[in-house]
Amino acid sequence: DGGITQSPKYLFRKEGQNVTLSCEQNLNHDAMYWYRQDPGQGLRLIYYSQIVNDFQKGDIAEGYSVSREKKESFPLTVTSAQKNPTAFYLCASNLRDGEGYTFGSGTRLTVV
Amino acid sequence: QKEVEQNSGPLSVPEGAIASLNCTYSDRGSQSFFWYRQYSGKSPELIMSIYSNGDKEDGRFTAQLNKASQYVSLLIRDSQPSDSATYLCAVTPGSARQLTFGSGTQLTVLP
Repeated sequence: DGGITQSPKYLFRKEGQNVTLSCEQNLNHDAMYWYRQDPGQGLRLIYYSQIVNDFQKGDIAEGYSVSREKKESFPLTVTSAQKNPTAFYLCASNLRDGEGYTFGSGTRLTVV
Repeated sequence: QKEVEQNSGPLSVPEGAIASLNCTYSDRGSQSFFWYRQYSGKSPELIMSIYSNGDKEDGRFTAQLNKASQYVSLLIRDSQPSDSATYLCAVTPGSARQLTFGSGTQLTVLP
């Protein structure tokens, strides 16, 4: 079945540590997105990519980095520069402009 | 002013009633409008999309769009307890591809 796979489902980060969240899709979608959701809040855009080897910052890109080396994969690294990383991270994709997203199941990141 | 605004609720309706969820947006050039349902602890699920003024119906769900008033709504008829969730409104501003989300309305359907 086609879809988006995010891993891990739960992730714990120590202070000063970088962690990488995985996002893989087999939908043949060109565009991929990373959003962050805090409790009781909507989704805020971190980074997005419309084609391989190209990506743009969203509204809250500071402290995060991404890569898009393959069409299927769009990993997100939460760096130590992100001071408040505890949140629910959602990866999404869509095929063309104007279409709604398909979401992965999310990664819940907690700082310990 | 937030780009996409929703009444955060919570909104409670009795089982079998009509639930009405509202959303306003600030960018007059917005082209695409979506409603997502999100159960607690889960990722959002697309339930409705609408692109032109008027109503669009899909089963118990009706999306309504009024671009002149910059307003989009979702009606859920014959509400069921399984409809209890947070409903997120999302808009594609102007020519952008990425969605801007509202903060969501929490709906509870009481048995």
